[in-house]
Amino acid sequence: NAGVTQTPKFRILKIGQSMTLQCTQDMNHNYMYWYRQDPGMGLKLIYYSVGAGITDKGEVPNGYNVSRSTTEDFPLRLELAAPSQTSVYFCASSQREPGVGYEQYFGPGTRLTVT
Amino acid sequence: AQSVTQLGSHVSVSEGALVLLRCNYSSSVPPYLFWYVQYPNQGLQLLLKYTSAATLVKGINGFEAEFKKSETSFHLTKPSAHMSDAAEYFCAVSAFEGGSYIPTFGRGTSLIVHP
Repeated sequence: NAGVTQTPKFRILKIGQSMTLQCTQDMNHNYMYWYRQDPGMGLKLIYYSVGAGITDKGEVPNGYNVSRSTTEDFPLRLELAAPSQTSVYFCASSQREPGVGYEQYFGPGTRLTVT
Repeated sequence: AQSVTQLGSHVSVSEGALVLLRCNYSSSVPPYLFWYVQYPNQGLQLLLKYTSAATLVKGINGFEAEFKKSETSFHLTKPSAHMSDAAEYFCAVSAFEGGSYIPTFGRGTSLIVHP
């Protein structure tokens, strides 16, 4: 199993440009998540999905959109990039384990710079 | 609503010394608790998890954590620090609220290990 894969690893965008961050998992997990990580701020949840066709906002959804057409893929779309979206983005997936809850598996991250 | 507080954004220890990283949580329902570790330029990986089967949880690389319900704490410890333990550590809580399990992460504690 590859686990959770993310592309690209790095990207530089100009203000106002758009892009899609790709995320794929091969563990057949129902739950998928997008986080952003800024220095000293921990992880902030952007969007999450509990299954194909179902998505919901997290703590910081403004400026982002997601879709979940398949169990495996959960792309994150930035429509009009702004400098405030400069961050490291992590995708994660999880599945309910009886008595454990939802242990998450993380991708390697995408480092995005908006200038 | 659930929240996680990690006391100390940085903890510095000497190699061979005890490691103690603090985590307190709040949750209105019984939570699941996790510690994740993040090495430089990598995604997060699970260190250990609280399953409710035992209050003392053992994880990878010699780490362990104790769940104390009365103190709402889940502190991470390791008897003897190694240089390779230098990383960012995140405590996370996940409770069934609002119809789903959505984890909340602390801001992270950077562990610095001196020779």
